[in-house]
Amino acid sequence: GQNIDQPTEMTATEGAIVQINCTYQTSGFNGLFWYQQHAGEAPTFLSYNVLDGLEEKGRFSSFLSRSKGYSYLLLKELQMKDSASYLCAVRRTGFQKLVFGTGTRLLVSP
Amino acid sequence: EAGVAQSPRYKIIEKRQSVAFWCNPISGHATLYWYQQILGQGPKLLIQFQNNGVVDDSQLPKDRFSAERLKGVDSTLKIQPAKLEDSAVYLCASSLTLAGVDEQFFGPGTRLTVL
Repeated sequence: GQNIDQPTEMTATEGAIVQINCTYQTSGFNGLFWYQQHAGEAPTFLSYNVLDGLEEKGRFSSFLSRSKGYSYLLLKELQMKDSASYLCAVRRTGFQKLVFGTGTRLLVSP
Repeated sequence: EAGVAQSPRYKIIEKRQSVAFWCNPISGHATLYWYQQILGQGPKLLIQFQNNGVVDDSQLPKDRFSAERLKGVDSTLKIQPAKLEDSAVYLCASSLTLAGVDEQFFGPGTRLTVL
């Protein structure tokens, strides 16, 4: 099976940097995804990591360490619109389905 | 490019009633997914189709849930009979292939309330 852990809730200030961690336990790892989900809306794709290291995309970066079963999503220059839930999801080899964590609700305040 | 379409957006029914949800994936996407998202949780995969064949339905409660994708495009998910614990948002997603990034694009979801 798979076990994915994320903090339930985080708060940060506009303009700041926040790091959302995700730890996972799985066999046959085949990629880790981060999705953003605003309240009442569908998840939207943010990033994908399959190899160790950092992937940067604008204000958002995602890091993966396969040996540690660990990933983080880094959000820079926070804006009010970044208030949302951030979902970590893991994919296994041979099983293309994603298994999602419960999500981290981020609240950005002025 | 049009996104994933779902209907209805909201549905309220009483327990033991039946309900059906419809999904139209992005044109050309071979893989279609139905997820259940209970409030405060991440989406949980119910069933995955590759064209009109089922790839994974291991978490679908088959005694009450059914899904089909007859022509490899649109899909319907049915619950019969519904239980209180089925109250959730039902998300449909699609992706182009099964390889590589295989980003999944989600529809707006159907919010089901079972009374």
